[in-house]
Amino acid sequence: DAKTTQPPSMDCAEGRAANLPCNHSTISGNEYVYWYRQIHSQGPQYIIHGLKNNETNEMASLIITEDRKSSTLILPHATLRDTAVYYCIVRPRSGATNKLIFGTGTLLAVQP
Amino acid sequence: GAVVSQHPSRVICKSGTSVKIECRSLDFQATTMFWYRQFPKKSLMLMATSNEGSKATYEQGVEKDKFLINHASLTLSTLTVTSAHPEDSSFYICSGAPGTYEQYFGPGTRLTVT
Repeated sequence: DAKTTQPPSMDCAEGRAANLPCNHSTISGNEYVYWYRQIHSQGPQYIIHGLKNNETNEMASLIITEDRKSSTLILPHATLRDTAVYYCIVRPRSGATNKLIFGTGTLLAVQP
Repeated sequence: GAVVSQHPSRVICKSGTSVKIECRSLDFQATTMFWYRQFPKKSLMLMATSNEGSKATYEQGVEKDKFLINHASLTLSTLTVTSAHPEDSSFYICSGAPGTYEQYFGPGTRLTVT
């Protein structure tokens, strides 16, 4: 499985957009980029995923570079409740396993 | 939809005893369930993958005789920590997968072994 690199922590002002980067330079053609987040002492929550096109849902937008070696998760208007650890994970969409391997993630602290 | 519950949410047990944690998918059938553990300020570590009706597949370094996993139905998996020791104190999280793609996580169980 491809590995990901994320900054350990980021701050963001409440109401501003939070842009969380992720490097996945060894991603292969059949691997998707998934984003999960974990609020303190809770289970992870799915946010969004994509292959090569940019994606948007009610929670966030995912921007994937053309070479697919990196991506950015965008929370358009961060709130205090968005404070969490954000995990970027790459894995095959189909195949023998659908297990998720979590890296260290980015702790996003939304400041009032 | 896609809700996973865990019971108990918190448990304190004495060293040497066994503890069972339940993971239930409430509104979907989980073909596969996963168990993770998480130490304070650390990431989630996958312990094992279980498919309904078959033996669990454990990740390297995870003792299968210590962490017993049973996935007897499509909505229930259990993790039993046998002969618990203080170093087993951790946050245990399960997830259920209805198919090959999505995975839905439970709220976690905090185990403290005294």
